[in-house]
Amino acid sequence: GQQLNQSPQSMFIQEGEDVSMNCTSSSIFNTWLWYKQDPGEGPVLLIALYKAGELTSNGRLTAQFGITRKDSFLNISASIPSDVGIYFCAGPGSSNAGGTSYGKLTFGQGTILTVHP
Amino acid sequence: NAGVMQNPRHLVRRRGQEARLRCSPVKGHSHVYWYRQLPEEGLKFMVYLQKENIIDESGMPKERFSAEFPKEGPSILRIQQVVRGDSAAYFCASSTRDTPNYGYTFGSGTRLTVV
Repeated sequence: GQQLNQSPQSMFIQEGEDVSMNCTSSSIFNTWLWYKQDPGEGPVLLIALYKAGELTSNGRLTAQFGITRKDSFLNISASIPSDVGIYFCAGPGSSNAGGTSYGKLTFGQGTILTVHP
Repeated sequence: NAGVMQNPRHLVRRRGQEARLRCSPVKGHSHVYWYRQLPEEGLKFMVYLQKENIIDESGMPKERFSAEFPKEGPSILRIQQVVRGDSAAYFCASSTRDTPNYGYTFGSGTRLTVV
């Protein structure tokens, strides 16, 4: 089945530093999504990317849809303590017949971010 | 305007008991998705339902697990004869349709512990 590989698995940074994480896939994705999960909560959508090469920002967050459509990057600038959490990339899953199953998402294993004040 | 409501937040069951997890989607949302998250892992798709219909259950274990989304009331994920390996966080998400932009709203999850 489809797999998304995120790196790094975890990061420990000082407040104010910039953060970069990425996600790769063995298959092409037409949509890339980045979610953040706070402890004890469900994931919250941060950024959605729909076009190869697209660069999208949401405040201090910037994400890019790789040209090959097999990777995506998320950058966080000037990190603050509330950036702590788990960041997941996700993309549309495939149906049993091999086509795209609308609504179904495949998630990466996550990048755990710790920010020291 | 409430988001996706899941209850209970925490559920403890002994091996062999049944677990019932409830999900009330955002008002007006007719599409519901269930995902499972094992400790230190990403979310894994289980099932996609519309009102009174199962659209995609490719992620559901073949035995003991079932899901429904009736015409009235919340969506229910039911796990019969739970085993320790069922311990996980179960998340529900809803949307207005099978949107290409995947405008999901996730609930806060139900954390199932099997003892």
